[in-house]
Amino acid sequence: DTAVSQTPKYLVTQMGNDKSIKCEQNLGHDTMYWYKQDSKKFLKIMFSYNNKELIINETVPNRFSPKSPDKAHLNLHINSLELGDSAVYFCASTTGGRETQYFGPGTRLLVL
Amino acid sequence: AQSVAQPEDQVNVAEGNPLTVKCTYSVSGNPYLFWYVQYPNRGLQFLLKYITGDNLVKGSYGFEAEFNKSQTSFHLKKPSALVSDSALYFCAVSRGSYIPTFGRGTSLIVHP
Repeated sequence: DTAVSQTPKYLVTQMGNDKSIKCEQNLGHDTMYWYKQDSKKFLKIMFSYNNKELIINETVPNRFSPKSPDKAHLNLHINSLELGDSAVYFCASTTGGRETQYFGPGTRLLVL
Repeated sequence: AQSVAQPEDQVNVAEGNPLTVKCTYSVSGNPYLFWYVQYPNRGLQFLLKYITGDNLVKGSYGFEAEFNKSQTSFHLKKPSALVSDSALYFCAVSRGSYIPTFGRGTSLIVHP
């Protein structure tokens, strides 16, 4: 069984569209993250949810919104997609700051 | 604030030779330090971590890292490199909070 899964794996869309990326973890972890990896492979943390509360929110555009229906899911919704949103988005989960993070396989978003 | 520096964008080593990937950090208090590896088109995978105790930490695939508090470093090492070790390596630090900081990544290339 996959510990952290993301759907879709690939997403190609037009500028201005709204899209969502789903993430699910079956590890029973309390904390989930969304990361953005740009074309230079730099990894930037976007959001973290702990016990269904948003505990960090980096300086990302408000077009990005995380939604957590329950502890096992943290979805990422993006409004009005822009060319610069093209990247690989990773979901991760953990039990705490001193513990290992488990990453999903990534969602490759291409905005045309 | 916490930060991580990986001073080398790329490390080249011949197969069979020892390898070192450098990481230095800055954090208030005792750090929690991690190394992750990313193979092409994959999510990050945990290699090893230092929380407390022995300064030499052993991890997956024969990798190890040495925590040096005076030099604020946590370099990743392997006695004998394999071509299959070629990947992108990330160092990360946290301080018990749920907010990890990742380095910019170092591309390791092992030549046959």
